[in-house]
Amino acid sequence: AQSVTQLGSHVSVSEGALVLLRCNYSSSVPPYLFWYVQYPNQGLQLLLKYTSAATLVKGINGFEAEFKKSETSFHLTKPSAHMSDAAEYFCAVSPSGGYQKVTFGTGTKLQVIP
Amino acid sequence: GAVVSQHPSWVICKSGTSVKIECRSLDFQATTMFWYRQFPKQSLMLMATSNEGSKATYEQGVEKDKFLINHASLTLSTLTVTSAHPEDSSFYICSAENTEAFFGQGTRLTVV
Repeated sequence: AQSVTQLGSHVSVSEGALVLLRCNYSSSVPPYLFWYVQYPNQGLQLLLKYTSAATLVKGINGFEAEFKKSETSFHLTKPSAHMSDAAEYFCAVSPSGGYQKVTFGTGTKLQVIP
Repeated sequence: GAVVSQHPSWVICKSGTSVKIECRSLDFQATTMFWYRQFPKQSLMLMATSNEGSKATYEQGVEKDKFLINHASLTLSTLTVTSAHPEDSSFYICSAENTEAFFGQGTRLTVV
């Protein structure tokens, strides 16, 4: 069984401030972990993924996430928020080895204040 | 990256009618596609796994006869919501697996 918990359905940050979106996972097997971004009326776009290689994963648009097994966390960060980062972000987990049975979190809507 | 196109992006239909949603992988072949449903302020829930040339695998609790899935070719999977009711109103998203999972833009279904 696997699950993902995203803390905070809404996060607001000022433009230029640090972005921190929290994700904790539960998995009975070594997981693959993902962060996706969804802009209004669009599908999901992969930001980054962890597949048991380096624990610090760098993604697109300046985002990165760190896999911490001891904390069962995979928080998403970006040093400086940009207005274009306003979107909904989903953390997801799947059993290692593929994209079948991906379980998504409930999403965090990021608001960037000018 | 690879492109997955979903059509239509939104549809309004009358209760009791059927609606077909298409999911196409435009620049790669996908032997496996996935259909998700997203309720407002909730996460994406996997409905079924669509395999080219064979029957779809449905998740527990998903009605096979209501949500008909056809994966007739390596680039096209369709989801048909039969005898739609207002409770079927939702956001439906497909994805196709290549080197990673690529998602369509979603279809907003409203049943009135």
